Amino acid sequence: NAGVTQTPKFRILKIGQSMTLQCTQDMNHNYMYWYRQDPGMGLKLIYYSVGAGITDKGEVPNGYNVSRSTTEDFPLRLELAAPSQTSVYFCASSYGLAGPTDTQYFGPGTRLTVL
Amino acid sequence: GENVEQHPSTLSVQEGDSAVIKCTYSDSASNYFPWYKQELGKGPQLIIDIRSNVGEKKDQRIAVTLNKTAKHFSLHITETQPEDSAVYFCAASERTGGFKTIFGAGTRLFVKA
Repeated sequence: NAGVTQTPKFRILKIGQSMTLQCTQDMNHNYMYWYRQDPGMGLKLIYYSVGAGITDKGEVPNGYNVSRSTTEDFPLRLELAAPSQTSVYFCASSYGLAGPTDTQYFGPGTRLTVL
Repeated sequence: GENVEQHPSTLSVQEGDSAVIKCTYSDSASNYFPWYKQELGKGPQLIIDIRSNVGEKKDQRIAVTLNKTAKHFSLHITETQPEDSAVYFCAASERTGGFKTIFGAGTRLFVKA
């Protein structure tokens, strides 16, 4: 299993540009999450999904959108990039409440800079 | 809103010594408390977790304690090794709905050889 994969690894955007951060998991997990990590800080939840077709807001959803059309994929969309969105973005997945563990498995992250 | 406070922000120990990281949480509904280790340039990785019906859990050199009344939980690493050097995050979540997790700000642990 590859686990949780994220693309791209690095990206520089200009203010106002748009982009999609890709996330795929091959563990057949029901739950998926997007977090952002600012320098010296913990992770903040942006959006999460408990299954295909179901998404909900986390702590810091403004400026982002998500979709979950399949179990495997959970892309994060930035529509109008702003310098405040400069951060490292992590995707994670877990089985969900009925699973054998509560562990969240994280991808390697995408480092985004908005200039 | 819900909050998790983590202390200290930086911890430096000699190899072989113990390290203790402490967290407090605000949401009394929290019932799942994972600890993650993050190495440079990588995503966080779970090292140990505890549920609210358990007061203590141990896995080799790592142990976690939970005091639900005081809303405190702690990570204990014994016989530290240089490869334990990393950033450690505590977190609290409620095992319902989307399993939303609130993270502490992290502790950077340095283990000096």
